[in-house]
Amino acid sequence: GAVVSQHPSRVICKSGTSVKIECRSLDFQATTMFWYRQFPKQSLMLMATSNEGSKATYEQGVEKDKFLINHASLTLSTLTVTSAHPEDSSFYICSAPGLAGGGADTQYFGPGTRLTVL
Amino acid sequence: GENVEQHPSTLSVQEGDSAVIKCTYSDSASNYFPWYKQELGKGPQLIIDIRSNVGEKKDQRIAVTLNKTAKHFSLHITETQPEDSAVYFCAASSGNTPLVFGKGTRLSVIA
Repeated sequence: GAVVSQHPSRVICKSGTSVKIECRSLDFQATTMFWYRQFPKQSLMLMATSNEGSKATYEQGVEKDKFLINHASLTLSTLTVTSAHPEDSSFYICSAPGLAGGGADTQYFGPGTRLTVL
Repeated sequence: GENVEQHPSTLSVQEGDSAVIKCTYSDSASNYFPWYKQELGKGPQLIIDIRSNVGEKKDQRIAVTLNKTAKHFSLHITETQPEDSAVYFCAASSGNTPLVFGKGTRLSVIA
């Protein structure tokens, strides 16, 4: 099946710093990728839709200036958490729809990135 | 927009028994219904999905049923094993819209 990778898997940073998370589709191209945030024992909440070559679409309540998304190629989307604060600590997961093994709407998830802001 | 309700939130079964998780959705335009398994500290893994033109789909010990009229779909796991213990999420979408997830079910299989 389709493989989505994320890097880093875990990051600890000081309050006020910026953190970049990469999401890559390894064996297929993705013009669209999705970024989710998951707090402990909760479900996945969609943050934004990343579109290759154009601006990301953010969900209501998600600050676009704080969570910068860049989808520079058909296999890479990045999420940068700017001026991170402890309340940004969470599990960030990306997904990409792909035709490999399923329909165009089948979404494959990355392994997630655990962000801890001290 | 779409709203997905999932029940139960926790489920404990004896090894070898069956487990059933149920979800309802609100948007009649939704036509794609995947189920994901998430283990602690990992991303969700797609285990089975069903589209609105199908009423039932089975893959070994896992099956999913869909009732479009009632707008509900269910995950059935037979002959449960300890390694089936995880959090399971249902989701719904239409076309290329983002998935809307249920709140998850924590399944514990007791050996």
